[in-house]
Amino acid sequence: GQSLEQPSEVTAVEGAIVQINCTYQTSGFYGLSWYQQHDGGAPTFLSYNALDGLEETGRFSSFLSRSDSYGYLLLQELQMKDSASYFCAVRDYRDDKIIFGKGTRLHILP
Amino acid sequence: DAGVIQSPRHEVTEMGQEVTLRCKPISGHDYLFWYRQTMMRGLELLIYFNNNVPIDDSGMPEDRFSAKMPNASFSTLKIQPSEPRDSAVYFCASMPLLDRLLATNEKLFFGSGTQLSVL
Repeated sequence: GQSLEQPSEVTAVEGAIVQINCTYQTSGFYGLSWYQQHDGGAPTFLSYNALDGLEETGRFSSFLSRSDSYGYLLLQELQMKDSASYFCAVRDYRDDKIIFGKGTRLHILP
Repeated sequence: DAGVIQSPRHEVTEMGQEVTLRCKPISGHDYLFWYRQTMMRGLELLIYFNNNVPIDDSGMPEDRFSAKMPNASFSTLKIQPSEPRDSAVYFCASMPLLDRLLATNEKLFFGSGTQLSVL
């Protein structure tokens, strides 16, 4: 079956850089996605990596290594509004379902 | 477009009652997903539809849960009878067909969710 592992919590300081890792086990997948969810809100899409390498979107970047079954989300110049939960997700070849990790709660200190 | 619309935002009911959650996907999106979110289990996929047809319902917890999509603009998730362990936030999400076919993007558009409390 599929599984995605990510740290449950990460703490960083405002203005700093933080990396949230995601490792996955699946027989094959189309790509790795990242979502942000603020307390009481809905998940919102951040990025998608279909190919190996780094994708940059403003302060956020996402990386994928298929050979290592690994990806990460990099957040730069952290702002207090970045305090949220971050989820990685994959769509498996076999059953075409989009499965989410348990999420990483990002705490930002002033 | 108004995005994915879910109703109600909050539902409080008593054990044994029937609960119906509603979802209107973004117009033109061919795929519709129902997820359940709890602290313990995270975001769980319950069922998803393609062009109104249920494709995979293996995540539906048990026979008390059922989902329908009578047309492209409306879906329901029903729990009958409800139990306290069903308490969770239920999200509906949609995605356009082209993104899935090309695998160039996997952007799910989520509704605001329904907070369900079964007492």
